[in-house]
Amino acid sequence: QTVVTQEPSFSVSPGGTATLTCGLTSGSVSSSNYPGWYRQAPGQAPRPLIFNSNTRSFGVPDRFSGSILGTKSVLTITGAQADDEGDYYCVVYTRSDFWVFGGGTKLTVL
Amino acid sequence: EVQLVQSGPEVKKPGESLRISCEASGYTFSTYWITWVRQVPGKGLEWMGRIDPHDSDAAYSPSFQGHVSFSVDKSIDTAYLHLSSLKASDTAIYYCARHGVNIQFWPFWGQGTLVTVSS
Repeated sequence: QTVVTQEPSFSVSPGGTATLTCGLTSGSVSSSNYPGWYRQAPGQAPRPLIFNSNTRSFGVPDRFSGSILGTKSVLTITGAQADDEGDYYCVVYTRSDFWVFGGGTKLTVL
Repeated sequence: EVQLVQSGPEVKKPGESLRISCEASGYTFSTYWITWVRQVPGKGLEWMGRIDPHDSDAAYSPSFQGHVSFSVDKSIDTAYLHLSSLKASDTAIYYCARHGVNIQFWPFWGQGTLVTVSS
């Protein structure tokens, strides 16, 4: 069974850079896993940020970028703002389990 | 404008069954897969499975196989999530989401349906 790992929490200063990661307990995340990232504000449905490793969804500012670095998918947020706070989820695709979400990272901007 | 509108909150007793609807508008319903996602209160997102409205072909997460099923009614552009033999652990928000042209992506989401299972 595929298990996707994310930092439970991450703090960044306003204007700073946040680097959230997404890995697998066994193996590496690669482009063949088509990693994606979603943000969820409290009480709201998730909203897409990144798909296919590095493609921004409609209307997502270029402060948000995705990449694969080493064995992990990475979401980088530059120029962090207060309204970037929320829960960030990565999702990967595998042939055995189809799509699997990570546990989510709670981003705090302070 | 693409919209997915889900049915309202439900309160059920253990052992009962439930159907949640997801009504699509603003696009050709049969063209894009619908995925279902569960979120237990205070917890993360879990992919349950997806259905192709064109031919009702469905794929389920191993974690949910046998406990849930999906269906569609193309005449009213609506997808359904069926839950049987409900347990308290099924208490969650259930979301439908539409796949994009790139199937590895869910650009559109329903508002979520809160299901509470309690005796």
